[in-house]
Amino acid sequence: AQSVTQLDSHVSVSEGTPVLLRCNYSSSYSPSLFWYVQHPNKGLQLLLKYTSAATLVKGINGFEAEFKKSETSFHLTKPSAHMSDAAEYFCVVRGGSQGNLIFGKGTKLSVKP
Amino acid sequence: EAGVTQSPTHLIKTRGQQATLRCSPISGHTSVYWYQQALGLGLQFLLWYDEGEERNRGNFPPRFSGRQFPNYSSELNVNALELEDSALYLCASSSSDYTSSYNEQFFGPGTRLTVL
Repeated sequence: AQSVTQLDSHVSVSEGTPVLLRCNYSSSYSPSLFWYVQHPNKGLQLLLKYTSAATLVKGINGFEAEFKKSETSFHLTKPSAHMSDAAEYFCVVRGGSQGNLIFGKGTKLSVKP
Repeated sequence: EAGVTQSPTHLIKTRGQQATLRCSPISGHTSVYWYQQALGLGLQFLLWYDEGEERNRGNFPPRFSGRQFPNYSSELNVNALELEDSALYLCASSSSDYTSSYNEQFFGPGTRLTVL
């Protein structure tokens, strides 16, 4: 069965400093992995997705994630945080042919001025 | 291009009543998914419809049901409402090739259901 574990429930950074949101996955086969962001009182927006074409995936708003099979990790990074990045981030794995997405518990990112 | 739309935005019901939530997918998408985001429980998969058929359901009781119409819009019905059904219900849509693991799901803004 597929699952994801987000290692931090809350991350706080200062504006202009790097962001690292950690995610480990468990899958019996090559997983389909995604990062979604949810701003307060808004729906979910896809940041990026791993499609097995490349291990380093670039997403929107300067975010990227690296798929590391040996570490079963898919951490999300951004070189320089912006105030508008404050939101909740979800690491997600697709439930195989079952269609549904399996969400991590989320990491709330706070950005201090 | 219009995104996924959901109605109503907010819904207030009392225990024991029925709630009906609606979702319109992105044009061209035939798969619709429903998720529940309850406080403390995170985002959980409810139902998946594709081409009018229920393809999969999550670990929810039968009083959570739904359907997909010929125009691919969908309805989620929750019968015999309980206080713990209070949550944000999110609808997502994707293209029809559900055998592809990489089809992303596009989410609507959600319906906030409050059960009193």
